[in-house]
Formats: sequence, C-alpha cells, structure tokens
Amino acid sequence: KNQVEQSPQSLIILEGKNCTLQCNYTVSPFSNLRWYKQDTGRGPVSLTIMTFSENTKSNGRYTATLDADTKQSSLHITASQLSDSASYICVVADRGSTLGRLYFGRGTQLTVWP
Amino acid sequence: EADIYQTPRYLVIGTGKKITLECSQTMGHDKMYWYQQDPGMELHLIHYSYGVNSTEKGDLSSESTVSRIRTEHFPLTLESARPSHTSQYLCASSGQGLETQYFGPGTRLLVL
Repeated sequence: KNQVEQSPQSLIILEGKNCTLQCNYTVSPFSNLRWYKQDTGRGPVSLTIMTFSENTKSNGRYTATLDADTKQSSLHITASQLSDSASYICVVADRGSTLGRLYFGRGTQLTVWP
Repeated sequence: EADIYQTPRYLVIGTGKKITLECSQTMGHDKMYWYQQDPGMELHLIHYSYGVNSTEKGDLSSESTVSRIRTEHFPLTLESARPSHTSQYLCASSGQGLETQYFGPGTRLLVL
C-alpha cells in the first residue's frame, strides 16, 4: 500500500533555532517528492520538488534531502522565523499513471515561539 | 503568488441545499484538481481534469460533481449538502510534466 508517513506530528521550537522534519514513504514506482508549506486557513505552497536523481535541493532557508534507496526525505529549516509556523506536508508522486498520482502525508505542525 | 482563486472562502449552509464552489486560474494550466482536507489530516483527491471537457473521479468517493467547460474554470457542485460534507475544499492546477501544483486558498464548508 502506497503511504507517506511524517514525523514528528508536531514540533515547537524557539525563533532562530534549526529543525529537521522527516518523511518516510512506500510509494512505488517513485517519480518525485515534494515539500509544501501550508499556513493555517490557506492552500499549500510548494517549497521543493526532487526527482529520483536529486539528493538535495534548497529554497532559501529550507533544504530538502532525498534518499531514494531508503525511501526517506527530510526538510531542514535554518534560523527559524515566526513566519515559519505552519504545517509542512510531504507529497510523493508515482510514475504509474499519466496523472502522476500524488500521495500526501498528514503534515508536521511547526510552531515557532519568540 | 499563484493566480488561482476560490470562492466563497467560507460557507455555512443548511442540509439539503445545493451549493457550487468556484475555482478559477489564470495560468493557462490544463490540469486542475479538487481536494478535500479535514483538520490535521492529509489531502484527498476527489476530482481532477486533464483539460476542457475532461473530468475524472479521484481516490476519495465524493457525492460532488465537477465540470470543465473552460480551461480556467473548474467548479464543484453538491446537489444536496449534508453535515458529512463539512470540510475544507482545495482547488489546484498544474502545467505539463513535473510542474508543481498551485493551490487556491480553499473553501471552508460547514453544513448544519
């Protein structure tokens, strides 16, 4: 069964600190992995997209890593800001259909305190 | 900022009413999607479209219907709303290949 599991479910950190969010998946055949940021009451916004051949990709203070062998990904946030408070969703696409079926994790709820 | 819009943002309605959730995008994307998301849960695909006059059901069974008469417009209709339809509905669109999906702000629906 294709699944995407994220940990931790929630996380509280102090402003300025770093944190790492984890994503494990069983989706096969794998196409790409995406990280989205979803603010409360808003739609998700894409942070990174990585294909099978990419190990790391950065977007400002956000750095995503991918280990396609172990089917694990992480999102590292550097020097956190209050505006980083949001849900971070890991999404994996398969190659099994023209649509590129997406499998969504439940997200990690990050709260950054001043 | 993605050019994809949803209206209304919030809707409170009584059981049995017919409702239409609007979604429009100005990016010329062929692919459009509707997702349902409950608080703290993952997004579930309920409908998608490859282009004009193309609509398909997603993975999550839904009593809603969609239409795609114009590229930029992908409305979702519930003929008879029920409390079980209370949820957040997110519309998204994407271009060709690995292009990311751009999401609208969502519609929060409450059926009393």
